[in-house]
Amino acid sequence: EVQLVESGGGLVKPGGSLRLSCAASGFTFSSYSMNWVRQAPGKGLEWVSSISSSSSYIYYADSVKGRFTISRDNAKNSLYLQMNSLRAEDTAVYYCAREWYGRYYFDYWGQGTLVTVSS
Amino acid sequence: QSVLTQPPSVSGAPGQRVTISCTGSSSNIGAGYDVHWYQQLPGTAPKLLIYGNSNRPSGVPDRFSGSKSGTSASLAITGLQAEDEADYYCQSYDSSLSTHVVFGGGTKLTVL
Repeated sequence: EVQLVESGGGLVKPGGSLRLSCAASGFTFSSYSMNWVRQAPGKGLEWVSSISSSSSYIYYADSVKGRFTISRDNAKNSLYLQMNSLRAEDTAVYYCAREWYGRYYFDYWGQGTLVTVSS
Repeated sequence: QSVLTQPPSVSGAPGQRVTISCTGSSSNIGAGYDVHWYQQLPGTAPKLLIYGNSNRPSGVPDRFSGSKSGTSASLAITGLQAEDEADYYCQSYDSSLSTHVVFGGGTKLTVL
């Protein structure tokens, strides 16, 4: 059974940093591109970042470019999102999602982790 | 402002048919890129509902169907059930943006 479990969310002050993790199991993690998608309270879905299976290709939304860094450790079946210079507008539930073989859709999602940026 | 436009809400009575539209442009849906749909039940993570315009993952009832034409796509739900009450999002790829994955703003389905 495919499982994606996010962790690392919490309350952080504006300008602060946070590192999210996503532990994957039930599939060959190293074969799939992975993504982060976020959802601000009461709002819609916003794609944040993607990383290819071997980390060769990395993309970011304009809203986080230069502040967030996506990475993965295939040996540990884990995906990460380092978030720096956090802003109030980064407050959201962050989901990790598996991308189906370069087809740009997400067939499995984690349960999400809440990041709150507030003083 | 989302790149893909969806109606904020739709409603229908149990047993009825409803459709949710998703309108894009020549750089995404109109360029031939696939449209995918997700269902988000209250308080849960999104779930893939339709992929590649009209394909259902295993376990998704055939009451759900998708179609695409020109710069738009639609999700149809027949035989509406109370458990279908959820938010629905369309998603595609956009070649004009550095952020290549785009979502619609979401549609809240209310079962009356």
